[in-house]
Amino acid sequence: KAGVTQTPRYLIKTRGQQVTLSCSPISGHRSVSWYQQTPGQGLQFLFEYFSETQRNKGNFPGRFSGRQFSNSRSEMNVSTLELGDSALYLCASSLASPGSGANVLTFGAGSRLTVL
Amino acid sequence: SQQGEEDPQALSIQEGENATMNCSYKTSINNLQWYRQNSGRGLVHLILIRSNEREKHSGRLRVTLDTSKKSSSLLITASRAADTASYFCATANFGNEKLTFGTGTRLTIIP
Repeated sequence: KAGVTQTPRYLIKTRGQQVTLSCSPISGHRSVSWYQQTPGQGLQFLFEYFSETQRNKGNFPGRFSGRQFSNSRSEMNVSTLELGDSALYLCASSLASPGSGANVLTFGAGSRLTVL
Repeated sequence: SQQGEEDPQALSIQEGENATMNCSYKTSINNLQWYRQNSGRGLVHLILIRSNEREKHSGRLRVTLDTSKKSSSLLITASRAADTASYFCATANFGNEKLTFGTGTRLTIIP
């Protein structure tokens, strides 16, 4: 069974550019969550999607957006990149349905974004 | 914002010794989970303990939960070099599936 796949694994952008990151969840998982990990702030929650609907959103500016497709694949986009957006962006999928109380996450390896 | 705070921030022990990490959180929870992260990679789920449970075991792992103190501990027995990693607790509140992660404990096992 394939795990959570994130692409690209590494990317370098310059300030002001935009970036799109992709996540393919485990087959059968309909919930996808995104996290930003930095040395200073740790793991910060970005979004959670279930069946193409955003169910939760973290405390990030509107430059950060995401979506989920009908096949459960998800993308997140960051526009007008800032130096502080340099981070490891982690995607995770879950088999649990909303309200099940057992949201165990399976993480991808992450996309490491460097903003110059 | 972080829900959980792990203690200690870093821990170094000799191979074969036991490692204990603690997690404190702020609000009522539905469940608490522990994850491991090897350097620069994704997190791996270790164990989940529900709010009505006090202790749970999985192999060399033992997790306790004290909801009155809003704290949890993770014990790794007979540590191995492969246990070197960062360990995070994560909490889920009732009615909200979002997992909020703590600050992590960096564990180093010295061969």
